[in-house]
Amino acid sequence: QQQVKQSPQSLIVQKGGISIINCAYENTAFDYFPWYQQFPGKGPALLIAIRPDVSEKKEGRFTISFNKSAKQFSLHIMDSQPGDSATYFCAAIMIKAAGNKLTFGGGTRVLVKP
Amino acid sequence: DAGVIQSPRHEVTEMGQEVTLRCKPISGHNSLFWYRQTMMRGLELLIYFNNNVPIDDSGMPEDRFSAKMPNASFSTLKIQPSEPRDSAVYFCASSHPGLKYEQYFGPGTRLTVT
Repeated sequence: QQQVKQSPQSLIVQKGGISIINCAYENTAFDYFPWYQQFPGKGPALLIAIRPDVSEKKEGRFTISFNKSAKQFSLHIMDSQPGDSATYFCAAIMIKAAGNKLTFGGGTRVLVKP
Repeated sequence: DAGVIQSPRHEVTEMGQEVTLRCKPISGHNSLFWYRQTMMRGLELLIYFNNNVPIDDSGMPEDRFSAKMPNASFSTLKIQPSEPRDSAVYFCASSHPGLKYEQYFGPGTRLTVT
């Protein structure tokens, strides 16, 4: 059962453009939503995270938008740069639960063309 | 800190052989995760430990896979006997008890079974 659905699977954007990745979740018990970035040949690394009581969080050129009623959240990469070319994973976790398991989306491969 | 350490970085073996992957988590982290990543199936959680105790092994594909964590600084993932469909990149990750949503991934072990 895929509890976090991510789209698109891949996207190509021109340098300076906006990359938008969308995720939807089913389990309302999730209470924290991180995004991970993975470069080729490397392990994923935490990029930015948001709580469901916050509608938007911005860190530099990366912004998470959160819609609790729709159970959807998205990552926007503003002024995309070739160095942003990577695979991005959304994830969800129940912080208050005993377990520490992250539920990952399927990933989006982003290619930024110069 | 050196980060999560995995060995070997690459492993090529023949079908039927035993494979052992090793992981040293970050000091002070009390949760350890084993993931498998393939193009077809994405990033899959195989098993995770909390305070050296296996908590959830529902992702372990079959009895050929086993994992141990004899102490807080070492874990192994063993495949016996290995099969070509086990070819993948295997990641180990660890997390601190105070930041459950942030998992630190190792560089991965690329396993090829011929």
